[in-house]
Amino acid sequence: AQKVTQAQTEISVVEKEDVTLDCVYETRDTTYYLFWYKQPPSGELVFLIRRNSFDEQNEISGRYSWNFQKSTSSFNFTITASQVVDSAVYFCALSDGYAGGTSYGKLTFGQGTILTVHP
Amino acid sequence: EAGVTQSPTHLIKTRGQQATLRCSPISGHTSVYWYQQALGLGLQFLLWYDEGEERNRGNFPPRFSGRQFPNYSSELNVNALELEDSALYLCASSLVGSWRWDYGYTFGSGTRLTVV
Repeated sequence: AQKVTQAQTEISVVEKEDVTLDCVYETRDTTYYLFWYKQPPSGELVFLIRRNSFDEQNEISGRYSWNFQKSTSSFNFTITASQVVDSAVYFCALSDGYAGGTSYGKLTFGQGTILTVHP
Repeated sequence: EAGVTQSPTHLIKTRGQQATLRCSPISGHTSVYWYQQALGLGLQFLLWYDEGEERNRGNFPPRFSGRQFPNYSSELNVNALELEDSALYLCASSLVGSWRWDYGYTFGSGTRLTVV
């Protein structure tokens, strides 16, 4: 069975600090995707980043960066120079595997990390 | 482009009643997914519809059901409501069946169902 663990339940930082959100996953699939979503108080899940299991290249997109390490099954997400508007719940998610063009359409989510950025 | 639209925003029902939640996908998206976000339980996969067919369902009892219409919009029905069904129900849509995860997976703002 698939599992996603976000060990940090809550993180509190002061504006302009860098913050890293941890995510560890378990899967027996060889091909899968990993996601980070942000959920502000409005409730909508906002897509942030997506990474294919074959692509371990780490990238930076604006203030966001991520560190995908297949060897340790980790997919950590960093916000640089945090801002008050970054305050939200952040979810890491794992897709089911896909092979031969089939999938079960399911994302498995971690429990979420509540990030509070203080001015 | 309009995003995924869910209605109603809030719904209050009495235990034992039925609830109907609606979702309109992004134009051109054929797949619709439903998730339940109950307090303390995180997001749980409920159902996946693609091209009018149910493709997969999560570990939920049969009183959770739904359908997808020819215009790809979807309904989630919850019968014989129980107090623990109180949750935020999120709908998502994608361009094609999700075996192509790089097409993305866009969520709506959800329907908050309260069972009293």
